Amino acid sequence: DQQVKQNSPSLSVQEGRISILNCDYTNSMFDYFLWYKKYPAEGPTFLISISSIKDKNEDGRFTVFLNKSAKHLSLHIVPSQPGDSAVYFCAGGKSNKLTFGGGTRVLVKP
Amino acid sequence: EAGVAQSPRYKIIEKRQSVAFWCNPISGHATLYWYQQILGQGPKLLIQFQNNGVVDDSQLPKDRFSAERLKGVDSTLKIQPAKLEDSAVYLCASSLGGRAASTDTQYFGPGTRLTVL
Repeated sequence: DQQVKQNSPSLSVQEGRISILNCDYTNSMFDYFLWYKKYPAEGPTFLISISSIKDKNEDGRFTVFLNKSAKHLSLHIVPSQPGDSAVYFCAGGKSNKLTFGGGTRVLVKP
Repeated sequence: EAGVAQSPRYKIIEKRQSVAFWCNPISGHATLYWYQQILGQGPKLLIQFQNNGVVDDSQLPKDRFSAERLKGVDSTLKIQPAKLEDSAVYLCASSLGGRAASTDTQYFGPGTRLTVL
């Protein structure tokens, strides 16, 4: 039972352009959503979060959009930089319990 | 501020053997989590501690997995006996706890990569 899905396993984007990562969920009970970034041989690091009562949250180059009616969230990275190359995980959260998607590998080409 | 420490970083064992992983959370963090990440998948929560008490272990295969957090600081996760499908990265995370859930960021350690042959 995959409650959180990232249907694109990989994404390639040119440096300076926008990266858009998508995530779908089925559990309407999530109170908040997060995006984590993971480099090889390291643990995931927190990137940005959004409460389920909001539809947008922005932090520098990173913006997360939430569409509750569609049960869909997306992460926009503008502009993309080579250091953004990593695996990105979205997660739904309730009572400090996180349910992760399968991840999207992003490659930013110089 | 020191991050979440885990050891060992890598472990190779044969099936039916036992293995233990150690985690030292960020100082002052009351909540500690163990996740299993199978290759190509996202992390899956195995067990969550609040201080030295278990909050959620609903996804822990209790016939072979056990975890403890004595004194509410360090934690160990044990697998006995290991199966081939236990090959994964085991991630430990910690958070301050006692805060509104959406602001209680989980900080992850580098993980232990387990290979079961």
